[in-house]
Amino acid sequence: DIQMTQSPSSLSASVGDRVTITCRASQGIGNFLGWFQQKPDKAPRSLIYDASSLQSGVPSRFSGSGSGTEFTLTISSLEPEDFATYYCLQHDSYPPTFGQGTKVEIK
Amino acid sequence: QVQLVQSGAEVKKPGSSVKVSCKASGGPFSSYAMSWVRQAPGQGLEWIGGIIPIFHKPRYAQKFQGRLTITADESTSTAYMELRSLRSEDTAVYYCARDRDSLVHHFAMDVWGQGTTVTVSS
Repeated sequence: DIQMTQSPSSLSASVGDRVTITCRASQGIGNFLGWFQQKPDKAPRSLIYDASSLQSGVPSRFSGSGSGTEFTLTISSLEPEDFATYYCLQHDSYPPTFGQGTKVEIK
Repeated sequence: QVQLVQSGAEVKKPGSSVKVSCKASGGPFSSYAMSWVRQAPGQGLEWIGGIIPIFHKPRYAQKFQGRLTITADESTSTAYMELRSLRSEDTAVYYCARDRDSLVHHFAMDVWGQGTTVTVSS
């Protein structure tokens, strides 16, 4: 299975900060990568698909980039509702595998 | 607006089986891939399998082969996940999630069920 490693595992940030989360794949996955947001006791929410395409209804402060083995999710200006855990998901090969998650906390 | 409503929480004994349903409403069902994703307490997300109902050919993560069956009933727009030979490590919240694109497993799941808690305990 392809291993997905996210960094950092957690971070503290303030409203208005620019936040970047990295996801590295154990082998090349093209652009077959998505990003999901999850709040406590809620179902995940799709933010980005195909590495850089914004899901419908997702604010433009979220963006994704990368290809091959290294990917980033950027939140350009953190809003209070963005404090959550973020997961990447590769789907280049079966089974699709998630990163371990990055928890974004309030500083 | 498509909605997915899952069946209620289950408490099961080790060695037994559980079957969770996921009923879609408000939009098309048969041509859209449905994935099942689970989350153990305090842990991350794990894809366990999926199906495109119109094709009737489920895909499973290797670690669940032989224990997991995913089906879909097009007449009721309902997907099912059955896990057998339950063990304590199967305790988790199980989510169904529908893909944004039809006829392919794109894994851009834009509609999610509310989750079903399955507890395996003697």
